[in-house]
Amino acid sequence: QKEVEQDPGPLSVPEGAIVSLNCTYSNSAFQYFMWYRQYSRKGPELLMYTYSSGNKEDGRFTAQVDKSSKYISLFIRDSQPSDSATYLCAMGWGAGNQFYFGTGTSLTVIP
Amino acid sequence: NAGVMQNPRHLVRRRGQEARLRCSPMKGHSHVYWYRQLPEEGLKFMVYLQKENIIDESGMPKERFSAEFPKEGPSILRIQQVVRGDSAAYFCASSLEENTEAFFGQGTRLTVV
Repeated sequence: QKEVEQDPGPLSVPEGAIVSLNCTYSNSAFQYFMWYRQYSRKGPELLMYTYSSGNKEDGRFTAQVDKSSKYISLFIRDSQPSDSATYLCAMGWGAGNQFYFGTGTSLTVIP
Repeated sequence: NAGVMQNPRHLVRRRGQEARLRCSPMKGHSHVYWYRQLPEEGLKFMVYLQKENIIDESGMPKERFSAEFPKEGPSILRIQQVVRGDSAAYFCASSLEENTEAFFGQGTRLTVV
């Protein structure tokens, strides 16, 4: 079983739609969670960082962590064509430890 | 404040040659991570370093691969005697402290011919 599971998509939505991206994980020790956006042939760009459970909002982006269900989500409101990219979730648990990444979800926002 | 800088952006090596990939972390960051990404695959952890120390190298192949982060200068990922299977994008990330946000560079795309 992989540490982090993420539906690869592809996901295609019309401009203005609300997008929901999700990851599940198996290790209950994970404490901090990140979402990255990666455009083709570019490096991952950090969108959101959360520690432990709860919600965090930044502009059109909302990150949710449900540790009881081992489930995290990223919501994108009023999606734009420029949001078209691959979205990666990542998580870790403690000092000196690596981040574990999902395989990424490919999103296309159609004008 | 410049972000994480990686060079070269593209590197072509013949089988059997050495590849040296460089990563300069963000200013003030002393934690560096190296990841490898293959097409259609996620980022795979290779090694985590702090200044002059390797903290976790559990993702590094046992042979041909090595990494360092000296007191002065960039972190270096070195691949000796490259093979075609080493062709991938190699990304470096840095963070200010443990368990804080990690910021990635634009990567080095290694092609072994």
